[in-house]
Amino acid sequence: EDKVVQSPLSLVVHEGDTVTLNCSYEVTNFRSLLWYKQEKKAPTFLFMLTSSGIEKKSGRLSSILDKKELFSILNITATQTGDSAVYLCAVEGETSGSRLTFGEGTQLTVNP
Amino acid sequence: EAGVAQSPRYKIIEKRQSVAFWCNPISGHATLYWYQQILGQGPKLLIQFQNNGVVDDSQLPKDRFSAERLKGVDSTLKIQPAKLEDSAVYLCASSAPFKKLFFGSGTQLSVL
Repeated sequence: EDKVVQSPLSLVVHEGDTVTLNCSYEVTNFRSLLWYKQEKKAPTFLFMLTSSGIEKKSGRLSSILDKKELFSILNITATQTGDSAVYLCAVEGETSGSRLTFGEGTQLTVNP
Repeated sequence: EAGVAQSPRYKIIEKRQSVAFWCNPISGHATLYWYQQILGQGPKLLIQFQNNGVVDDSQLPKDRFSAERLKGVDSTLKIQPAKLEDSAVYLCASSAPFKKLFFGSGTQLSVL
């Protein structure tokens, strides 16, 4: 059974801080790892990672995958209050079709 | 591009009552998913459709939950009878084959 573990489960920082969110996984026949941001109810897509060592970047957010050690990190630099959300990590395996297995998420709170 | 549409946004029912949720995916997306997200947890897949056929319903509690996608477009998820532990956000998502998922805004269900 596919498994995703995220840490920390919650994090409180001040505006301007840099944060690193962690995601470790176990999946049969890895296909991809995805990061989503969930502010209210609908998760919104951030990154899809399929290859080790290649950083994906979007503004102040970046993510990288290590397929040997089976983990990924999501970095947010110069955090803003609008970054407050739950960040979800999910993995997709070839044997599970397009099914995503999600972690519990990291609740990030950015205080002014 | 229109997103994934879900209704209702909120529903409050008493235990043992029945409830139905509706989802209209992004036009052209053949794959449709229903996820259950209990407070503080990541989304858990209930059922996955490819067009109007079921791909994966291994985590659907079939004694009380049912879902259909008759014409390969919109879908309904039903719970009958509801239990207290069914209180959750029910998220619908859609995707093109082997592409990222797009989520709807979800239905917040409270079972009293």
